[in-house]
Amino acid sequence: EAGVTQFPSHSVIEKGQTVTLRCDPISGHDNLYWYRRVMGKEIKFLLHFVKESKQDESGMPNNRFLAERTGGTYSTLKVQPAELEDSGVYFCASSYGTSQFFGPGTRLTVL
Amino acid sequence: GENVEQHPSTLSVQEGDSAVIKCTYSDSASNYFPWYKQELGKRPQLIIDIRSNVGEKKDQRIAVTLNKTAKHFSLHITETQPEDSAVYFCAARYSGGGADGLTFGKGTHLIIQP
Repeated sequence: EAGVTQFPSHSVIEKGQTVTLRCDPISGHDNLYWYRRVMGKEIKFLLHFVKESKQDESGMPNNRFLAERTGGTYSTLKVQPAELEDSGVYFCASSYGTSQFFGPGTRLTVL
Repeated sequence: GENVEQHPSTLSVQEGDSAVIKCTYSDSASNYFPWYKQELGKRPQLIIDIRSNVGEKKDQRIAVTLNKTAKHFSLHITETQPEDSAVYFCAARYSGGGADGLTFGKGTHLIIQP
């Protein structure tokens, strides 16, 4: 069974640009989560989808971040415009029941 | 909201010895506590988890204990091996009201000395 996949693995952009991250969950997993780890800090929850619906987006830092999951399969997280403090590793996780399985992450660097 | 504290931030043990990592949580409603292992350049991997209706759970050399009264839980690794070297994260979650996001500790860098 394929695990959670994320694309790209790395992204380097300049402040003010737009970046879109993609997550493909494990097939059959209705729950999809986005997390972020900023350098030296803990992994922080951003939001949770159940199928195509946003169940909880309490962790989204501001309105520069937009997450979508059209059709309830893969999800995208767009940052527009990117700021320096958005740099970090963005993780996606998926679950069918309780256990959450993580993807390898996308390392975002904003210069 | 929930807050999870994790200690120590770095732990160095001799190969073959035991390692213990401790976490405390703030929300008494939290009822699920997973542990993740992240090797360098790889994804966080779920290694063991425990629910609030259980005090201890074991899986080979790994065990987790939970003290609900004190609101702390610990990861125990026995007979450590070089491949146990990694960053370990604890997390807590309240599974109710549809909010399933995990709250993580800051991580413990475990170093196994040969």
